[in-house]
Amino acid sequence: AQSVTQPDIHITVSEGASLELRCNYSYGATPYLFWYVQSPGQGLQLLLKYFSGDTLVQGIKGFEAEFKRSQSSFNLRKPSVHWSDAAEYFCAVGPRGSTLGRLYFGRGTQLTVWP
Amino acid sequence: EAGVTQFPSHSVIEKGQTVTLRCDPISGHDNLYWYRRVMGKEIKFLLHFVKESKQDESGMPNNRFLAERTGGTYSTLKVQPAELEDSGVYFCASSHRLEAGYGYTFGSGTRLTVV
Repeated sequence: AQSVTQPDIHITVSEGASLELRCNYSYGATPYLFWYVQSPGQGLQLLLKYFSGDTLVQGIKGFEAEFKRSQSSFNLRKPSVHWSDAAEYFCAVGPRGSTLGRLYFGRGTQLTVWP
Repeated sequence: EAGVTQFPSHSVIEKGQTVTLRCDPISGHDNLYWYRRVMGKEIKFLLHFVKESKQDESGMPNNRFLAERTGGTYSTLKVQPAELEDSGVYFCASSHRLEAGYGYTFGSGTRLTVV
């Protein structure tokens, strides 16, 4: 069965520090991979996605993620965190070749940024 | 382009009452999805419409939940009668392509509290 694991429920970093949010997935074949962010009162916003090709993916707001097939991981990174990055982050996978289009999400990681 | 609109944004109802959530997708998006997040858990798929037809409703928790999509436009999700465990945030998303997660746009969600 498909599953997405975000092992860190809550992370706190200081503004300007680097950030890495972990995501591991369990699926038979390499799925499509996504990171979403939800700020308070907002919907889920797509940060970046991996479909194929270069395993280092650039997204919006200065985020990037690296797909590692051998580790079934898709970790999200940012070299220098801004206070406005405080939000909840969700990793998601979508089965390739599926006719259904549904996504499977992790539990989310809440990011707190100290000034 | 208008985004995905959900209302109400919040709803507090008593156990045993009925609540109807509404989602207006982006115009022209044939695919409409409902997801739910119970507090502290992952965002889970509920169902998927293609136009007015239910493509996949395998995530619907039980027969107290009824989803409709009138004329392939807006969708409603009715919970009748509501139970305490139905509390959570209900997200709607729409996309123009079926490919998993491709072009998804999420609404800001409806926070449902059953007391």
